[in-house]
Amino acid sequence: GAVVSQHPSWVICKSGTSVKIECRSLDFQATTMFWYRQFPKQSLMLMATSNEGSKATYEQGVEKDKFLINHASLTLSTLTVTSAHPEDSSFYICSATRAGANTGELFFGEGSRLTVL
Amino acid sequence: QKEVEQNSGPLSVPEGAIASLNCTYSDRGSQSFFWYRQYSGKSPELIMFIYSNGDKEDGRFTAQLNKASQYVSLLIRDSQPSDSATYLCAVKVPGYSTLTFGKGTMLLVSP
Repeated sequence: GAVVSQHPSWVICKSGTSVKIECRSLDFQATTMFWYRQFPKQSLMLMATSNEGSKATYEQGVEKDKFLINHASLTLSTLTVTSAHPEDSSFYICSATRAGANTGELFFGEGSRLTVL
Repeated sequence: QKEVEQNSGPLSVPEGAIASLNCTYSDRGSQSFFWYRQYSGKSPELIMFIYSNGDKEDGRFTAQLNKASQYVSLLIRDSQPSDSATYLCAVKVPGYSTLTFGKGTMLLVSP
């Protein structure tokens, strides 16, 4: 199977600081990665689509200057939450599709739980 | 408008029973259909996918697809307490880069 790894799993930071979350595809190339956010007892919310070597496409209502996404290689995408505030506390999950596959299957990372104090 | 609808639940079944989870979708052009399981505090994991009308079985799980009715379901036989989780239905809609997810149905299997 395809493995997607996220790091860190848990992060606690002070308000106003920035936090970077990494998402790696370990055994396949991912031309496209997706970042989701999930608040407690709520559904997955797509934040942005990250394509290798190009700018990310953000969903409506997601601030691109606050949630910086970089997809510098076929196996790594990063999400940086800039100037984090308590309302940014959430479960952030990345996912990827396998390059060359058209099934649509998404492989999810383990998720990163962010708590902003 | 692409929509995937699921009953939020919770769906409560006793251990050993069959759990039936349902999902409807709005886009007739949808091509592939996925069921993910998400335990509380964890990320989703794929259970199975189906592309063609009919049934697809994998162990205790059976996915059923009816494209004419725009309906996909997941049956879990011999339900176990460890099956208690939220089940997400996801659909691949042409022209969209990622899957469209339903809000999920919470399943509770009581011992």
